[in-house]
Amino acid sequence: AQKVTQVQTEISVVEKEDVTLDCVYETRDTTYYLFWYKQPPSGELVFLIRRNSFDEQNEISGRYSWNFQKSTSSFNFTITASQVVDSAVYFCALSEIQGAQKLVFGQGTRLTINP
Amino acid sequence: DTGVSQDPRHKITKRGQNVTFRCDPISEHNRLYWYRQTLGQGPEFLTYFQNEAQLEKSRLLSDRFSAERPKGSFSTLEIQRTEQGDSAMYLCASSATTGRLGEAFFGQGTRLTVV
Repeated sequence: AQKVTQVQTEISVVEKEDVTLDCVYETRDTTYYLFWYKQPPSGELVFLIRRNSFDEQNEISGRYSWNFQKSTSSFNFTITASQVVDSAVYFCALSEIQGAQKLVFGQGTRLTINP
Repeated sequence: DTGVSQDPRHKITKRGQNVTFRCDPISEHNRLYWYRQTLGQGPEFLTYFQNEAQLEKSRLLSDRFSAERPKGSFSTLEIQRTEQGDSAMYLCASSATTGRLGEAFFGQGTRLTVV
């Protein structure tokens, strides 16, 4: 069975601080996808990134970066120089590569950036 | 086509009534998913369509729930004889089977309140 655990339930930081959201996963599949989604107060889940399990290269997109470590089954997300607009609930998710590719989500981390 | 759209955005119903939600996916996406999200939790998979075929259903989907996707376009999710435990956000997502595999794009959801 697949499982995703987001270590922090809530994080609160002051604007411009760096913040890391931790994600640990379990799966018996040898290949899989990992994702991060952002859910602002409006409710819509916004896709941020997808990683293939066979590609452990870290990725940076602007102020966002992701650290994938297969050896520890972790896929952590860092926001550099946080802004108030980053406040949202962030979800880590896992899916199979074959078949339905349905997403298994963690319980989410509520991130609050204070001015 | 700007994304996945869901209707209605909010629904309040009395216990025992039937409700139906609609999802219009991104037009070129042949995969469509329904998820349910309760307060403070990550979304949970309910069911999956590829074109008009419903290929997978979660055990969460009791016999009071039915989903259809006629002609492989929009989808409807019906809940019969609603119960208070059905109160949740119902999210629809769509994805492609070519190109950006596994990247599901979500609608804003239908928030159901059963009173």
